[in-house]
Amino acid sequence: ETGVTQTPRHLVMGMTNKKSLKCEQHLGHNAMYWYKQSAKKPLELMFVYNFKEQTENNSVPSRFSPECPNSSHLFLHLHTLQPEDSALYLCASSRTGAEEQFFGPGTRLTVL
Amino acid sequence: AQSVTQPDIHITVSEGASLELRCNYSYGATPYLFWYVQSPGQGLQLLLKYFSGDTLVQGIKGFEAEFKRSQSSFNLRKPSVHWSDAAEYFCAVGAGTGGFKTIFGAGTRLFVKA
Repeated sequence: ETGVTQTPRHLVMGMTNKKSLKCEQHLGHNAMYWYKQSAKKPLELMFVYNFKEQTENNSVPSRFSPECPNSSHLFLHLHTLQPEDSALYLCASSRTGAEEQFFGPGTRLTVL
Repeated sequence: AQSVTQPDIHITVSEGASLELRCNYSYGATPYLFWYVQSPGQGLQLLLKYFSGDTLVQGIKGFEAEFKRSQSSFNLRKPSVHWSDAAEYFCAVGAGTGGFKTIFGAGTRLFVKA
């Protein structure tokens, strides 16, 4: 499989649940990103990893916890979310932090 | 700090008509510039990019964009729109030293009428 893949594509969870989003890139890139996309709001950068090291945390609440075990995989661990966290969560990767980003299809998250 | 403005929240054009989507950026030096497209339920796909050189860049799906330094603009154009072009379009600016950052505009939703 090529490109950037995300699983699951859809997720419904209660506020007390713990779940994880997974992102995998098969492009040999060194930078990976998590974005949140809500209706009627600009794309929000959440986290950036370069060579497995977190280089950006855009004031994201601690109920979102990223993990980057290697340059190909990125996780977003979710716990005690709020209904306003419902959104499309996009993962992206780039060869370096200064080049175009390749996006996955996203995970549509609904928090009940 | 860099910023991106897409002044049009949505635009409607007839199929076969020409299209121009506006993008203005704010940055002290020459930034890296991108246009992405997002179809419903999908991630973003790169249409084209400008790093340096020729200010008119060609992209996929028949799109082009022109970098105009004097106007701090990077408008996206297509001479003849197809119904399949209906999507959301994002302009993005990448810049920075010692910590590159890409900032996305709020997007322009394109509707195509028959």
